Amino acid sequence: EVQLVESGGGLVQPGGSLRLSCVASGFTFNSYWMYWVRQAPGKGLVWVARISTDGSSITYADSVKGRFTISRDDAKNTLYLQMNSLRAEDTAVYYCAKPGSNWALDYWGQGTLVTVSS
Amino acid sequence: EIVLTQSPGTLSLSPGERATLSCRASQSVTDSHLAWYQQKPGQAPRLLIYGASSRATGIPDRFSGSGSGTDFTLTISSLEPEDFAVYYCHQYGSTPRTFGQGTKVEIK
Repeated sequence: EVQLVESGGGLVQPGGSLRLSCVASGFTFNSYWMYWVRQAPGKGLVWVARISTDGSSITYADSVKGRFTISRDDAKNTLYLQMNSLRAEDTAVYYCAKPGSNWALDYWGQGTLVTVSS
Repeated sequence: EIVLTQSPGTLSLSPGERATLSCRASQSVTDSHLAWYQQKPGQAPRLLIYGASSRATGIPDRFSGSGSGTDFTLTISSLEPEDFAVYYCHQYGSTPRTFGQGTKVEIK
């Protein structure tokens, strides 16, 4: 059974940092690109970042470019999102997601809530 | 960036009725890489449709997708009580990947 379990969310002050983790199981992690998607309270889904299987290709949404860093540790089956210079508008539930063979995101974690507030 | 516009914003229907949800793209979606997701409160999105018209594993056949280019439709042929939720379209054919703003299907 495919499982994605995020952790690392919490309350942080504006300008602060957090590192999110997503532990994967039930599939061959190193064979898949991986994604982060976020959802502000009461709002829609927004794609944040993606990373290729070997980490050589990384893409970010313009809203997080230069502040967030996506990475992976295939030995630990873990995806990361390092978030720096956090802003109030980064407040959201952050989901990690895995694409299927058709490239649509077929499995999602339960999400971890990040709240940026003083 | 491809902007996806979903309509209507809210659909008020009764169980057993047919639901038709629209997703219009600002430019053509590459290779019909268009997906539909269902999301219930407090839950992660669930993949329903990929490739514009293919049902994901375990999705009932009352859900169907159609369309190509810039116009796509999700149809629920006969609403079940568990189908009342928010639905998002998502294009994954070009970067940045984008989502529509969602359509809420609520009980009338």
